[in-house]
Amino acid sequence: GENVEQHPSTLSVQEGDSAVIKCTYSDSASNYFPWYKQELGKGPQLIIDIRSNVGEKKDQRIAVTLNKTAKHFSLHITETQPEDSAVYFCAASIVDTGFQKLVFGTGTRLLVSP
Amino acid sequence: GAGVSQTPSNKVTEKGKYVELRCDPISGHTALYWYRQSLGQGPEFLIYFQGTGAADDSGLPNDRFFAVRPEGSVSTLKIQRTERGDSAVYLCASSLTAGGAYEQYFGPGTRLTVT
Repeated sequence: GENVEQHPSTLSVQEGDSAVIKCTYSDSASNYFPWYKQELGKGPQLIIDIRSNVGEKKDQRIAVTLNKTAKHFSLHITETQPEDSAVYFCAASIVDTGFQKLVFGTGTRLLVSP
Repeated sequence: GAGVSQTPSNKVTEKGKYVELRCDPISGHTALYWYRQSLGQGPEFLIYFQGTGAADDSGLPNDRFFAVRPEGSVSTLKIQRTERGDSAVYLCASSLTAGGAYEQYFGPGTRLTVT
């Protein structure tokens, strides 16, 4: 089955710096890759996603890139702010008639210092 | 509008007891998922419902775990003879699925502690 690896496990940056989190997946059939932000005591919040027919997607300060050949995708956060501090999870799935079982990475704890 | 809600937010039970965890999906979402998140880990898939039927229950760890969604909306995850290893946060997510909308939206979770 699908296996998703994520790194780094922790990332500390200064406010205003950029942060990059990387994930690799094993199943070449995977075609949907969401990213979630999880704050302490809360459920994961979808922040951006990308499908396999697209190489890059951007939404304000966050962007995701996908390299299907290498089977890896990355989250980029620019101009980081203290409120970006949270645990970020990548996930991969095969979208098939609407069903998508998400396989998650192990998470990256991002700390943005003022 | 209202998001996914889960009750209770916290549940403490003794080893061997039975528990029920409830999930109210976003109105109109036909797909409902249960995941389990252990400390320091990403969520792990348990079961998926499309409408009233369990389309995939391959993630349920054993036959002590069971879930229902009798009317295609609210779902209940049931755990019999709880064990300390069942302690985790149980997350519910829902998805529209129609028209290629695959995004899954998660609830806040139920933190289950088995003593």
